[in-house]
Amino acid sequence: ELKVEQNPLFLSMQEGKNYTIYCNYSTTSDRLYWYRQDPGKSLESLFVLLSNGAVKQEGRLMASLDTKARLSTLHITAAVHDLSATYFCAGVYNTDKLIFGTGTRLQVFP
Amino acid sequence: NAGVTQTPKFRVLKTGQSMTLLCAQDMNHEYMYWYRQDPGMGLRLIHYSVGEGTTAKGEVPDGYNVSRLKKQNFLLGLESAAPSQTSVYFCASTYYWAGPQHFGDGTRLSIL
Repeated sequence: ELKVEQNPLFLSMQEGKNYTIYCNYSTTSDRLYWYRQDPGKSLESLFVLLSNGAVKQEGRLMASLDTKARLSTLHITAAVHDLSATYFCAGVYNTDKLIFGTGTRLQVFP
Repeated sequence: NAGVTQTPKFRVLKTGQSMTLLCAQDMNHEYMYWYRQDPGMGLRLIHYSVGEGTTAKGEVPDGYNVSRLKKQNFLLGLESAAPSQTSVYFCASTYYWAGPQHFGDGTRLSIL
């Protein structure tokens, strides 16, 4: 059974700084998702990573996937307050079932 | 374009009552999902459907039933509500198996 672990669970960072959120998964997952959730809101899709070595970037966020290490990373460059949210990664097993990590709550302060 | 719409947004039930949550999508998506989100546990898959007339169990299916009689609708039923089913329920849909899932705004359900 697939297990997905994120770290850190909480991240408080200063504006302008860089940081990385890590997502480890326990067994083979043929794709990896990243989502953002603002407090009290729904989830917004950020990235879908489909193959080993995949790298995708959108604004200050960049996600990568290493299927051999069973690791995905979400890198934040020059953080701004608007990036404050909870970020989830999710792996896939049995083709269709998403298993979510517990989330990383990011707070960016001036 | 409404996307994924969940009804109701809030509900309070008494233990033992039954109810149905409705999820409707207008994007002609094949795949639909029901999740629950509890504090500190991320989202967990309850049931899902890969097309009209199909359903399958997810991680935490006990105490729930689902139906997908029409492609655009996915219903989640609680047969006999229990306090452990107090949660925020999210519906999601996607157009193909590897696509990003589009989420509804959630239903906050409290069971007393």
